[in-house]
Amino acid sequence: GAVVSQHPSRVICKSGTSVKIECRSLDFQATTMFWYRQFPKQSLMLMATSNEGSKATYEQGVEKDKFLINHASLTLSTLTVTSAHPEDSSFYICSAQEGGPYEQYFGPGTRLTVT
Amino acid sequence: KQEVTQIPAALSVPEGENLVLNCSFTDSAIYNLQWFRQDPGKGLTSLLLIQSSQREQTSGRLNASLDKSSGRSTLYIAASQPGDSATYLCASRYNQGGKLIFGQGTELSVKP
Repeated sequence: GAVVSQHPSRVICKSGTSVKIECRSLDFQATTMFWYRQFPKQSLMLMATSNEGSKATYEQGVEKDKFLINHASLTLSTLTVTSAHPEDSSFYICSAQEGGPYEQYFGPGTRLTVT
Repeated sequence: KQEVTQIPAALSVPEGENLVLNCSFTDSAIYNLQWFRQDPGKGLTSLLLIQSSQREQTSGRLNASLDKSSGRSTLYIAASQPGDSATYLCASRYNQGGKLIFGQGTELSVKP
């Protein structure tokens, strides 16, 4: 149980285009979903926290107009990278959390490359 | 500031050894602490979750301990195997439903 999927696993896009990444909790309802970014050889950096039906809460320094997050249902959250630039190239990971004991389950990640 | 530190950053051991990975946190008022494993280019796999009221959790060859007073957690891996090679991350949480604060990870290599 507690499986989280992400789609796509890899995406290459041209500079200036937008890319959408989906995160789904497959066998539980996620009241909260989190989006992380990870650079090579570094730990995870939290970008934003989203609760179903509410606006996402962004961490300091993360541009909310560039990284659009939608959490329309208890099993789906999406991250859209708008007007992508090469510096947005990174590994993006989502996690989903159900109510108590508030354990987070992580997706397999999406490798974004902007050319 | 709430921070999590993991030492060492990298560790290489021969197969069969028992080993301990260390995690320390600056704020002892944690809600719970999680240990994760990450394989290269992959997401995180949750290994163990310890609630603030617990002192340890066990799963197979893994045992995680929690000492809030000293701000430390350890992950003990018994009889290590090459398949245990991965990066191990610990993360603390300070309220229910709150965000995880991650350490930088320990990259473990188990040599056959």
